[in-house]
Order: sequence, then structure tokens, then C-alpha cells
Amino acid sequence: EDQVTQSPEALRLQEGESSSLNCSYTVSGLRGLFWYRQDPGKGPEFLFTLYSAGEEKEKERLKATLTKKESFLHITAPKPEDSATYLCAVQADSNYQLIWGAGTKLIIKP
Amino acid sequence: KAGVTQTPRYLIKTRGQQVTLSCSPISGHRSVSWYQQTPGQGLQFLFEYFSETQRNKGNFPGRFSGRQFSNSRSEMNVSTLELGDSALYLCASSSTTRTDTQYFGPGTRLTVL
Repeated sequence: EDQVTQSPEALRLQEGESSSLNCSYTVSGLRGLFWYRQDPGKGPEFLFTLYSAGEEKEKERLKATLTKKESFLHITAPKPEDSATYLCAVQADSNYQLIWGAGTKLIIKP
Repeated sequence: KAGVTQTPRYLIKTRGQQVTLSCSPISGHRSVSWYQQTPGQGLQFLFEYFSETQRNKGNFPGRFSGRQFSNSRSEMNVSTLELGDSALYLCASSSTTRTDTQYFGPGTRLTVL
């Protein structure tokens, strides 16, 4: 069964303290892996799409990487405004539908 | 380009009533997906429409239905509302149903009393 698991469920960091969020997946043929950021009460905001193992993408303090079994979202020197829930989703070859993880709630303390 | 818009943004209904939510996708996007998001269940897929045809459907009861118009705008309807239908309903659009990224609207917050 296709599945996405995100860890940790919640992460509290001090401002400037770098860390990584994990998204592990099992899918029969990966078509794409997506990262989104969601603020409370708002729609998810697209961050990255990764298509193949070894691919990396960066945006400001965020860097996403992909292997055959998992993806990492690295956050370098985070700021309080990076606080949000980060969602991961995968799309399989066999289906258009995205399979979503439960998200990681990130809190950056000043 | 204007983003995905959803109306209304907030809605309060009572049990047994029905509700219709609207979504206007990004210009040029032909695929619209609907999701229900609750604190305990996360993002749950409702259905997807592409060129006025439902292409995918999640595991929701028949009280949840949708449609897409020729201009790609979409509506979802929930009949006979239950307390458990209280949620944030999100619409996402993409230019095709396959690898293209989904872009989300701000959501409609539905409260059922």
C-alpha cells in the first residue's frame, strides 16, 4: 500500500538552530514528491517538487533532497517566520492522486 | 497570475442543511481537486475533476459531490450536513492531472452547529 510518513510530528528549535524534517514513502513507482508549507487556517503553499533520487532544490533557508525511500527538508538558520506545518505528498505512477503525510509542525523560538 | 480563489471563506450551517462551495482555479489550469482538512485527520482527498469529468474519488460518502464547469470552475456540495463535516475545505488546481504541481486556495472554513 502506498504510504507517506513524516517525522517528527513536531519540532521546536531556537532561532538559528538548523535541522531537518523527514518524509519517508513507500510507493510503487514515484512520479513526484511535493513539499508544502501551511500556516494555521490557510491553504498549503507550494515549496518544491522532486522527481528523481539525487535531486535537490533550494529556496532561501530551505533545501529539499530526495532518495529512493525518503526526502529531507533541511532548514538552515531558521527564523520565527519559518514556523508552520510542513507537508509532504507523493504521486505514484499508477495514480494521479497525491498521498499526503500528516505533516511536521515546526516552531522557531526567537 | 491570480491564484486559486475559494468562496465563501467562512460558513456556518446547522445539521441537516446543505452547502455549496465554489473554487476558481488558476487561469489555464484544467484540473481541480478538493480536500477536507481536520486537525485529527489531516488532508483527506475528496475528488478531482479534469475537463468537467470526475477522474478520481476519495473515500467519502455520497453526501459529498462535486462538478466542474466548462470554464474549469468547480463546486462541491455537501448535503444533510453532520457535525463531523466541520472542517477546512481546500481546493487545488493544476494544469494537468499528472505530474504538475497542485496550487491551493485559501480554503473555506465550514462550521456545522
